[in-house]
Amino acid sequence: DAGVIQSPRHEVTEMGQEVTLRCKPISGHDYLFWYRQTMMRGLELLIYFNNNVPIDDSGMPEDRFSAKMPNASFSTLKIQPSEPRDSAVYFCASSWDRGLNEQFFGPGTRLTVL
Amino acid sequence: GQNIDQPTEMTATEGAIVQINCTYQTSGFNGLFWYQQHAGEAPTFLSYNVLDGLEEKGRFSSFLSRSKGYSYLLLKELQMKDSASYLCAPNRDDKIIFGKGTRLHILP
Repeated sequence: DAGVIQSPRHEVTEMGQEVTLRCKPISGHDYLFWYRQTMMRGLELLIYFNNNVPIDDSGMPEDRFSAKMPNASFSTLKIQPSEPRDSAVYFCASSWDRGLNEQFFGPGTRLTVL
Repeated sequence: GQNIDQPTEMTATEGAIVQINCTYQTSGFNGLFWYQQHAGEAPTFLSYNVLDGLEEKGRFSSFLSRSKGYSYLLLKELQMKDSASYLCAPNRDDKIIFGKGTRLHILP
């Protein structure tokens, strides 16, 4: 298996623009997680899905953030409009369950909002 | 975040032993993960402790005390490639919560 795939790997955009991050989980994993990592706050869970259904989005910072999982092999995290404080590394991870087994992380998307 | 405490940085010498401590809130606790993260890379799984005691896996061992809300990661025979951040991540109500990590620097 190729592991969790994320695109793009790097994104530089201007404040106010829409940003879409993409993720393909490992085949057979029922859970998909979106995280954001910054020096100040560490690795924060934004939202997770089970069988394509959003279960817990309490970590989504505000309405500018939205996530979808239209099928078992694809998820998007969208920021509209983007702000400089959204600059971070965004990781997607997948797992067989939500907490009893290891999560497999993608390589991340480094987002810079100017 | 969420009352997970681990040192921000540690330094050790190649070939030595280092112990990275972690304390956490015990409410809703189901187990504890340790992840390794090299600079610019994704976190990767190291260990998962559910029961009290020490679990050894090669040069790495992880210890858990559920009643004390305490865990440590022990790294033996340190190698330069062990320079990385180590993230303590308790499973709380079946959700993994990550600490900010301990940056470990290995000196030759």
